[in-house]
Amino acid sequence: DAGITQSPRYKITETGRQVTLMCHQTWSHSYMFWYRQDLGHGLRLIYYSAAADITDKGEVPDGYVVSRSKTENFPLTLESATRSQTSVYFCATADAGGSTEAFFGQGTRLTVV
Amino acid sequence: EDQVTQSPEALRLQEGESSSLNCSYTVSGLRGLFWYRQDPGKGPEFLFTLYSAGEEKEKERLKATLTKKESFLHITAPKPEDSATYLCAVQASNYQLIWGAGTKLIIKP
Repeated sequence: DAGITQSPRYKITETGRQVTLMCHQTWSHSYMFWYRQDLGHGLRLIYYSAAADITDKGEVPDGYVVSRSKTENFPLTLESATRSQTSVYFCATADAGGSTEAFFGQGTRLTVV
Repeated sequence: EDQVTQSPEALRLQEGESSSLNCSYTVSGLRGLFWYRQDPGKGPEFLFTLYSAGEEKEKERLKATLTKKESFLHITAPKPEDSATYLCAVQASNYQLIWGAGTKLIIKP
């Protein structure tokens, strides 16, 4: 029982290609989040979801698309990858949106060449 | 503008040498301040939540404190296994988290 699983762990893609990062949780937490982490910056929120079929933009949503048809899955799609999207992406879950701890996946290191 | 600044960026200590990490913030309507630990190649792991000035929380060699402008993570007699990057985040009135860039802590045996 891994709790929260991200796949793939590593991905190299070419500029302009579409790529999807997967996130799966086994806890049935209501909230799921996608962050990117870049050297010298704090984690930046891309999108989040409060429940199945409810998603909302975060701080840096441009160039990304999300969906949440099932509570346990929250895929992140880069529609046309750019070099500026080279980053480490983290998925996280929380059982509430308020002041509660978040649980993070292991991350996906994405390189766009 | 809501902002979180962590200092120092990196800190090298000898095993047993106590010190403190700083997280200063400006945010409208603080709902909570979080500390996380992140090991290389892994996602952040939750340590503490602080809600109001004057609050303190402890876990093993770590103690977090909160004032109206900043939080400190005190590390007492650290061991090499405490080496990690420590992240601070604040939750504003809109419930979104604003993260600091982290402090990389290295404890030498």
